[in-house]
Amino acid sequence: NAGVTQTPKFQVLKTGQSMTLQCAQDMNHNSMYWYRQDPGMGLRLIYYSASEGTTDKGEVPNGYNVSRLNKREFSLRLESAAPSQTSVYFCASSGQGGIVKNSPLHFGNGTRLTVT
Amino acid sequence: ILNVEQSPQSLHVQEGDSTNFTCSFPSSNFYALHWYRWETAKSPEALFVMTLNGDEKKKGRISATLNTKEGYSYLYIKGSQPEDSATYLCAFHGGTYKYIFGTGTRLKVLA
Repeated sequence: NAGVTQTPKFQVLKTGQSMTLQCAQDMNHNSMYWYRQDPGMGLRLIYYSASEGTTDKGEVPNGYNVSRLNKREFSLRLESAAPSQTSVYFCASSGQGGIVKNSPLHFGNGTRLTVT
Repeated sequence: ILNVEQSPQSLHVQEGDSTNFTCSFPSSNFYALHWYRWETAKSPEALFVMTLNGDEKKKGRISATLNTKEGYSYLYIKGSQPEDSATYLCAFHGGTYKYIFGTGTRLKVLA
């Protein structure tokens, strides 16, 4: 049982380059999330998808786009990377069977991104 | 802007000590309060999901209480062990799909 799988684990980009972070979950969860973690800031929500076919902005969406490809997969794209996007990115999912209230978040192992 | 605050930011305790942390959150539009344990170089793992005022949850030596009317939750660790060293996060769920995280309490248990 893999849970939430994120790829890649590490990435170095130059300013202006683009990349897509991939996330997949095998727990039949409805909701999926992308967070970034910066020192002293805690986890901040970039985008979320409440259910397949929907996506919404979180606290810090600027510079990012997302795609909920199907129920399992939720990708995060940086179109033109900037040094301010250097961070650790976590994908998470929750809400098996649509019961979100009592369902914890399950996190992937994170992607450490450096933009030079 | 919803604010979730955790205190203290960090603490060091001796092995065998008991300790507790606080999570403060908005007292309106409460839906759920989550606690997570986050070890270095790993991803956060859920400890508790608390939904009702007065909830008390326990897992081994770790327990949590919830007061939704005044907007706080306490996490307690009894008889701390070195393996309890981690960052403990709380997350407020206000009825939308957005979980708002505190910045965490970093616990170091000294052997």
